[in-house]
Amino acid sequence: DQQVKQNSPSLSVQEGRISILNCDYTNSMFDYFLWYKKYPAEGPTFLISISSIKDKNEDGRFTVFLNKSAKHLSLHIVPSQPGDSAVYFCAAFNDYKLSFGAGTTVTVRA
Amino acid sequence: GAGVSQSPRYKVAKRGQDVALRCDPISGHVSLFWYQQALGQGPEFLTYFQNEAQLDKSGLPSDRFFAERPEGSVSTLKIQRTQQEDSAVYLCASSQGTGIGEQYFGPGTRLTVT
Repeated sequence: DQQVKQNSPSLSVQEGRISILNCDYTNSMFDYFLWYKKYPAEGPTFLISISSIKDKNEDGRFTVFLNKSAKHLSLHIVPSQPGDSAVYFCAAFNDYKLSFGAGTTVTVRA
Repeated sequence: GAGVSQSPRYKVAKRGQDVALRCDPISGHVSLFWYQQALGQGPEFLTYFQNEAQLDKSGLPSDRFFAERPEGSVSTLKIQRTQQEDSAVYLCASSQGTGIGEQYFGPGTRLTVT
C-alpha cells in the first residue's frame, strides 16, 4: 500500500524555466519530508527537507512547500538547469522509517 | 570523506543460489538501513540496525532474507535460494543519529536472478 505517491512519472522542462514536482501522502503520522535526487547507477542523494511544523523551506534554487491539510507537498526548481535532469524521489519519515514515492524523471531541455 | 560503499555493484545469480551483499556505512554512523528498489519504483524499506542491534526487520519479504551487522559497522544482506522476483537494486543507507535525519545512500547492488 503506497503511502507516498508521485503521480507524474516524468516531467520535461526547458532550461531556465520552473520545474514543479508534486507528491501526495496518506499517513498523517508522517512528520518530516525529504526530496532525494538520483542519477543513473548512483544512490539517491539528499536535496532538501521540511518539517511538518513548517509550510515552506528554501535552499538556493530549490523550494519545498507543504500543505498538511491536503497531505501534499511540492518541490520547485527555479531556474532549471541541465544538471537537474535526474529522478526525484519524495520521501516521508515516520519515526526512523522512510517511505518513498515511485519517483519523477525530470528532463531539462536546452 | 568516504561515503557509503556497497559491493558487489552487480551480481548475477542463478535461481536457487545464495547471495551476500555487503555495505560499508559512513564511519561512526549509528543507524544502518537496507532498501529494495524494483524497476520503476522507489526504494522500499527492508530492515534497520542501530549499532549491532537489528531493531526492525518488518520489510524483509520472506525468511530467505537475512541481515546482520555483528560489530555495528559493516552489514551483510544475505538472500538464500534466490528467486526471480528477488531481482532488484539493493540500497544501503546510514545516518548519524537514531531518529529523523538525513540518510546517506550507497550506490546499490543490482541483483539479477536468472
